[in-house]
Amino acid sequence: GENVEQHPSTLSVQEGDSAVIKCTYSDSASNYFPWYKQELGKRPQLIIDIRSNVGEKKDQRIAVTLNKTAKHFSLHITETQPEDSAVYFCASRGSSGDKLTFGTGTRLAVRP
Amino acid sequence: NAGVTQTPKFRVLKTGQSMTLLCAQDMNHEYMYWYRQDPGMGLRLIHYSVGEGTTAKGEVPDGYNVSRLKKQNFLLGLESAAPSQTSVYFCASSHGDSRRGYTFGSGTRLTVV
Repeated sequence: GENVEQHPSTLSVQEGDSAVIKCTYSDSASNYFPWYKQELGKRPQLIIDIRSNVGEKKDQRIAVTLNKTAKHFSLHITETQPEDSAVYFCASRGSSGDKLTFGTGTRLAVRP
Repeated sequence: NAGVTQTPKFRVLKTGQSMTLLCAQDMNHEYMYWYRQDPGMGLRLIHYSVGEGTTAKGEVPDGYNVSRLKKQNFLLGLESAAPSQTSVYFCASSHGDSRRGYTFGSGTRLTVV
């Protein structure tokens, strides 16, 4: 089955700096890559996603890039703010059905 | 429009007891999923369903059973709870073609003592 690795597990940045979280996947047929943000005690919420026919997607301060050849994708957050502090999960949809395989999460802390 | 609703939100069980977690969605989604979340391990798929009357095993199905008798409901059962099943359980649903990803419920925090 699909395997997704996510790095780093923790990340601390100064407010206003950029943060980058990286994921790799194993199934070359994977075609959909969402990112979820989970605040403490809350449910994961979709913040951005990208499909395999696109190399980059941007939504205000958040962007996701995809390198299909290398089988990795990354989340970029610019001008970080304290409210960006949360756990971020990447995920990949493999070749069988709509099941998502999740990475192990990155705890992002933005220092004021 | 409530989205995905999970009940209960919290539960403490003794080893060997049984319980059922209920997930209900009002978005007419075909697919529904049960995940468990443990520290440092992300979200792992327990069971899922691609439509009413269907169920399938995920990554960590042992010790759990599921049923999808109605399209809007997906039940997760623990027949004989074990301390290793202490976790936060999330239900999710989707259209099945990843148009908008998953919608998650608010989670159930289960402790087995």
